Parts: sequence; C-alpha cells; structure tokens
Amino acid sequence: AAGVIQSPRHLIKEKRETATLKCYPIPRHDTVYWYQQGPGQDPQFLISFYEKMQSDKGSIPDRFSAQQFSDYHSELNMSSLELGDSALYFCASSFRGRSDEQFFGPGTRLTVL
Amino acid sequence: RKEVEQDPGPFNVPEGATVAFNCTYSNSASQSFFWYRQDCRKEPKLLMSVYSSGNEDGRFTAQLNRASQYISLLIRDSKLSDSATYLCVVAETGGFKTIFGAGTRLFVKA
Repeated sequence: AAGVIQSPRHLIKEKRETATLKCYPIPRHDTVYWYQQGPGQDPQFLISFYEKMQSDKGSIPDRFSAQQFSDYHSELNMSSLELGDSALYFCASSFRGRSDEQFFGPGTRLTVL
Repeated sequence: RKEVEQDPGPFNVPEGATVAFNCTYSNSASQSFFWYRQDCRKEPKLLMSVYSSGNEDGRFTAQLNRASQYISLLIRDSKLSDSATYLCVVAETGGFKTIFGAGTRLFVKA
C-alpha cells in the first residue's frame, strides 16, 4: 500500500540558508501534519493543513512557513536556518482530519552546519 | 510543566514480563488519546487508540482515566521485538493539534 512520501530523505545546509521539505500524503488523504523531532526529543507538532487550509499551528518558528497544494502535497519552507534546526522532520497524513489515523512518513533528516 | 508527561525509563525487562507505562496530560479538554511506537531513527507508528472504556489488542491493553487525566499502556508477555520507545499522544478537540509525550524507552532482553 502507498505510504506517505517525504523528500528529500537527507538534507545538509549551511547556517542562514533556506530549505524546502516536501510531503506527499497517502492517496485520498486530505490532512497533513508536520512535526520536528530533535535528537533524543519527542516529535513537536509544527503545523497542520486540512483541505489546503491551515487547520492548526504549534511551535513553528516565524522563519518557517508551510502550505498545502491543490494535489494535497505539502511543503515546509525554512529560511535563515540555524544550527538548532537540525532535526528529523516528519510529515503525517490522515483522512478528514482524523488524528487517530495519522500515518507518518519516513522523515527528512536536516543537518545545519 | 509539559502538556503530556511520561516516565522516560528506560525499562529493562526480561522476555515474558508484564510492563506498564503511564502518561499524564494537563489539558482537561483533550479529546483523543493514543499510544505510538517509535523504533530508533524511524517514524512513529500508531500502536492503539485509547478509549474511555479501555481497550485491548492482543498483548496490549490501554486505559484512560479522564478524572485523573491519566493514560496507561500494559504489555503482557513481552517479546524482544517490543523493544522500542512508546509515545503517549494527546489530541485536542478537533484533532488537528497533537501533543506527544517524551516517550518511554523499553528494552526487552532474552
């Protein structure tokens, strides 16, 4: 069965650069969630989208922005990268905002040097 | 105080043991509760939802106590493959914002 696809899987950037992470939800899923997981930390909810509209916002820095497109894929844009942004970024998707059926992608590992 | 708190462990148990994890949450308006499992460097995977009446799935039993704002997970007859980090997850009304606990690490040894 198709799963959540995230790209790239690994990304290395320098401080103050920008990065764009992409998430392709499971077919028919209309809700996307973004999480940040630092080393040894729990996943922190960043932001979610339902039917292409932002549905909730967590601890997402102002330097980050995200959107969901007409095909339901989502992109997380990160600017002015800082060393502390190094983390695993997970995207999850669900159908009709059902948080009990969130399926996670394999994550993008971002390293900021 | 964190919104969702768990004992980080680690719990080191022998195969066949019964182990219980606890989790407390601070937002009394929280509506949905889950246990996720995360293996090292992998994505979290839903283990089970937690219902008010309690629910069981094979060797796993989850309980919810709304009055005490407390969730538990019981694993019976532990297997080596149960070794992982178990994340307690709470969703607010509407379900879009989900809060993860820090996770409890379990090591099951032969």
